[in-house]
Amino acid sequence: GESVGLHLPTLSVQEGDNSIINCAYSNSASDYFIWYKQESGKGPQFIIDIRSNMDKRQGQRVTVLLNKTVKHLSLQIAATQPGDSAVYFCAENRGEREKLTFGTGTRLTIIP
Amino acid sequence: EAGVVQSPRYKIIEKKQPVAFWCNPISGHNTLYWYLQNLGQGPELLIRYENEEAVDDSQLPKDRFSAERLKGVDSTLKIQPAELGDSAVYLCASSFGQETDTQYFGPGTRLTVL
Repeated sequence: GESVGLHLPTLSVQEGDNSIINCAYSNSASDYFIWYKQESGKGPQFIIDIRSNMDKRQGQRVTVLLNKTVKHLSLQIAATQPGDSAVYFCAENRGEREKLTFGTGTRLTIIP
Repeated sequence: EAGVVQSPRYKIIEKKQPVAFWCNPISGHNTLYWYLQNLGQGPELLIRYENEEAVDDSQLPKDRFSAERLKGVDSTLKIQPAELGDSAVYLCASSFGQETDTQYFGPGTRLTVL
């Protein structure tokens, strides 16, 4: 079946470096994508979102890129900090109102 | 502003026992969600409420799971009887209810069934 998936389950990055977390999706009907951050013992926290009519969206230290041609989504975190260590999930809205489908997640570890 | 509140934070029960989780959404949020999150996995929707109406419960195992949101604010999710495979984190989220409104999550209840 169609699913949201992530290329890498774990990623380690040196503090201060940039990180890129990737996500592949297979449902061409998806029109809205979200990145969530989940720290240990906490619920997912919204980071940034993007609609399918956009290719790029920037927030504070974060950028989301959407490539609809290859159905690929990425989250770039600039100048990583220890507090960025968490599991990152991409989620998609497949056209079903308010229903999000989450991927498995990537664990990002920032090395001091 | 207070976030989504859930209780208890942790629960350990024996199999075949009942268990209930409580959620208080962010004030003014009409839509409430219950998710199940297994270890290392993303959240999976169990049920979505718009005010007091369950508008999507297609993923809720209705033989043992039930939920209610009687006054359109707080919600309770119940499992009876619990099975070993129910061990997971149960997350509650809420939103204003528009299609792309951000869903805000609570801290979750970690259930362990022995």
